Amino acid sequence: RKEVEQDPGPFNVPEGATVAFNCTYSNSASQSFFWYRQDCRKEPKLLMSVYSSGNEDGRFTAQLNRASQYISLLIRDSKLSDSATYLCVVIKGDTGRRALTFGSGTRLQVQP
Amino acid sequence: GAVVSQHPSWVICKSGTSVKIECRSLDFQATTMFWYRQFPKQSLMLMATSNEGSKATYEQGVEKDKFLINHASLTLSTLTVTSAHPEDSSFYICSAGTFYSYEQYFGPGTRLTVT
Repeated sequence: RKEVEQDPGPFNVPEGATVAFNCTYSNSASQSFFWYRQDCRKEPKLLMSVYSSGNEDGRFTAQLNRASQYISLLIRDSKLSDSATYLCVVIKGDTGRRALTFGSGTRLQVQP
Repeated sequence: GAVVSQHPSWVICKSGTSVKIECRSLDFQATTMFWYRQFPKQSLMLMATSNEGSKATYEQGVEKDKFLINHASLTLSTLTVTSAHPEDSSFYICSAGTFYSYEQYFGPGTRLTVT
């Protein structure tokens, strides 16, 4: 079983739509959670951190459910510029390591 | 924000040659640097973690003698792909972080093609 699992998509949605991505992680010792965005042939860029209390940044809302080991990302009012691959990322939190474990990504295509 | 550069951005080399990729943190001191590899349509896979001044820690299945990592200063880490083969063709990305934060800053990546 992969450490971080995501639906690969692609999700094809019209502009203005609301879309939700889900992610599950297998290691209950995971401590930090993030959503990254990666455009084609580019490096990943941090979109937002994910907290148990849920957090919102403009049109983006992230949620963490530790009991279910489940992370979600909601994008409201989709824009063409949101088209990218969204990566669910987990840090196990081992002292001194802090390496990121990436999901395989969910591809979003927003269409006009 | 913190900036990480990588050089070269792309390289084509012949099978059997070695290629060195540099990763630099431009405006902060990186106590830890990470090297990732990404094959087409796949996610980033961690290859190794390097702390300044000490030997790199390699992930299972990554040959340390083939992928030489040096982190000699707080602003520079290098990855050398030795005796490269076509199956080493990939997108190599570094990231840099500090000990007191979980945040990592990614370089723009190096696309390696081995012919």
